[in-house]
Amino acid sequence: EIVLTQSPATLSLSPGERATLSCRASQSVSSYLAWYQQKSGQAPRLLIYDASNRATGIPARFSGSGSGTDFTLTISSLEPEDFAVYYCQQRSNWPRGTFGQGTKLEIK
Amino acid sequence: EVQLVESGGDLVQPGGSLRLSCAASGFTFSEYAMNWVRQAPGKGLEWVSTSGSGAGYAYYADSVKGRFTISRDNSKNTLYLQMNSLRAEDTAVYYCSKDTRGIPDYWGQGTLVTVSS
Repeated sequence: EIVLTQSPATLSLSPGERATLSCRASQSVSSYLAWYQQKSGQAPRLLIYDASNRATGIPARFSGSGSGTDFTLTISSLEPEDFAVYYCQQRSNWPRGTFGQGTKLEIK
Repeated sequence: EVQLVESGGDLVQPGGSLRLSCAASGFTFSEYAMNWVRQAPGKGLEWVSTSGSGAGYAYYADSVKGRFTISRDNSKNTLYLQMNSLRAEDTAVYYCSKDTRGIPDYWGQGTLVTVSS
């Protein structure tokens, strides 16, 4: 099983600041990595797929990078609605796609 | 607009059974694989099962293999999850999601399954 480890577990920042979230895979997943945002009481929403492609309707302040085992989600300037939990997910061994444990982005 | 609406979640005793449904609209259901993903209270996301777009393709996480059965009725645009021999650790919100090339791109709002005596 491919294990995804996200860091940090919690990130405390202020609106307008830049957020950098990390996801590390236990083995190479090529570029088959996605990022999701989940707000309290809501379903996950796809932000980024295949490491760096924004999903439909996702603002340009969200960007993804990386390949192999190390990936980053960057939010260039935080808006109040961006504070949520973020998950990475790999599809390298579809359908057994695994998720990271999540990073909580909270208001400082 | 893609819509996925889950139903069927309930409180059930350990060892009991439950069937979840996911009604899909806004896309050609028969052409896409579909997933069930669950989230235990306060925890992260866990893939449970996938139904391939073709007939007979079904995949399961080891944690549910032999107890859960995924199926679909393409004439009704509906995905199902039959859950038997339920355990306390199956307590979770169960989401269905549309799968595009291995990417769960659209999700329903979820249905809560609670396994408790």
